[in-house]
Amino acid sequence: GESVGLHLPTLSVQEGDNSIINCAYSNSASDYFIWYKQESGKGPQFIIDIRSNMDKRQGQRVTVLLNKTVKHLSLQIAATQPGDSAVYFCAENPRYSGGGADGLTFGKGTHLIIQP
Amino acid sequence: ETGVTQTPRHLVMGMTNKKSLKCEQHLGHNAMYWYKQSAKKPLELMFVYNFKEQTENNSVPSRFSPECPNSSHLFLHLHTLQPEDSALYLCASSQEAGGWTYDGELFFGEGSRLTVL
Repeated sequence: GESVGLHLPTLSVQEGDNSIINCAYSNSASDYFIWYKQESGKGPQFIIDIRSNMDKRQGQRVTVLLNKTVKHLSLQIAATQPGDSAVYFCAENPRYSGGGADGLTFGKGTHLIIQP
Repeated sequence: ETGVTQTPRHLVMGMTNKKSLKCEQHLGHNAMYWYKQSAKKPLELMFVYNFKEQTENNSVPSRFSPECPNSSHLFLHLHTLQPEDSALYLCASSQEAGGWTYDGELFFGEGSRLTVL
């Protein structure tokens, strides 16, 4: 079946190290991908997006990589800080639903824990 | 500070009660959404309103009744809920829903934590 999922429910990293959060998707029609961050007690917050015509996109301290061959998406966070501690969700949007936010399907999330 | 405000932040209700969740957005957006977030499950889209018109009802039980009086306000009316409806209910907004532009940015509120006894 079609799903958006993350490989690990919890990821623990040392402060200052780089973090890599992975996401696998099975819908070959997925055309647009987004990462969200949800801190404790808050709603999800948009981090970065990428379209399927790209394989890499960089933001401030974050990089999203897309491998369409193996249907894999990753979020890399450079020099992880305590404020990066949160649950990270990937979301996909199939091309047949356009690119609007109402077409998003979310994964379950990975909890990133920062060790001092 | 979020541009999407939800009240109440916490709500405890019995199965026979009637209550409402409120959402207000100050971002000038035209689309508003209700999502359900349960532990260890992905975010579930419940309802979508675009320019005050409901464009999606994702097979939500009738004990949940949405209302969108204008593009800035969204309500979720609750009645005769079940314990399994206990969850975090998130409101979100975006510029528009649907269409063919790559704009998947949703702006979420902090959620209303609902407990049904």
